[in-house]
Amino acid sequence: SQQGEEDPQALSIQEGENATMNCSYKTSINNLQWYRQNSGRGLVHLILIRSNEREKHSGRLRVTLDTSKKSSSLLITASRAADTASYFCATDGGSNDYKLSFGAGTTVTVRA
Amino acid sequence: EAQVTQNPRYLITVTGKKLTVTCSQNMNHEYMSWYRQDPGLGLRQIYYSMNVEVTDKGDVPEGYKVSRKEKRNFPLILESPSPNQTSLYFCASSLLSTASSYEQYFGPGTRLTVT
Repeated sequence: SQQGEEDPQALSIQEGENATMNCSYKTSINNLQWYRQNSGRGLVHLILIRSNEREKHSGRLRVTLDTSKKSSSLLITASRAADTASYFCATDGGSNDYKLSFGAGTTVTVRA
Repeated sequence: EAQVTQNPRYLITVTGKKLTVTCSQNMNHEYMSWYRQDPGLGLRQIYYSMNVEVTDKGDVPEGYKVSRKEKRNFPLILESPSPNQTSLYFCASSLLSTASSYEQYFGPGTRLTVT
């Protein structure tokens, strides 16, 4: 079963607007990662947040982690057309620290 | 250049004909894994390997085999492919502490169609 689930499934925004997506997971984790996938290509790592961190920034990306709610959010500020992609969260944890689980992803479309 | 390579990139085959998808990484990573991606289901882990000769099942291992005889290579074997294995397959590698401790480097994907 999948550990992480993203919400919403799809998001359409205007260029320059912010995009926020959420990830919920079921069991305790060591770390949580976010990835981007451009149409049918391999995933690209965006950011990693450790279970003892609450917020992390990388350029226009801001990730938060709330372990009490078992949830994380990814905020993309000042979106660009190039941000059009699918975004996935990934976690380990549960009974096995060596299995990595991805959610079904959020598809973001940035309109020019 | 640090990379994960997969071959072939595209494959159309028939039910029951054994096939192997190769995966190779040049980063000396301990951890390697295979995923399949299907519409609406995201990525699901098939098998993973924590080092040479150490492999374990992911969430959807049925119908697949793997081996890790060398650190850099992690082939995915379909002994008797069936149409429900039609999918987009990704290989990935990383350093290892826990599975999520380091970023995964993904290959470009192999699109497999089984008729």
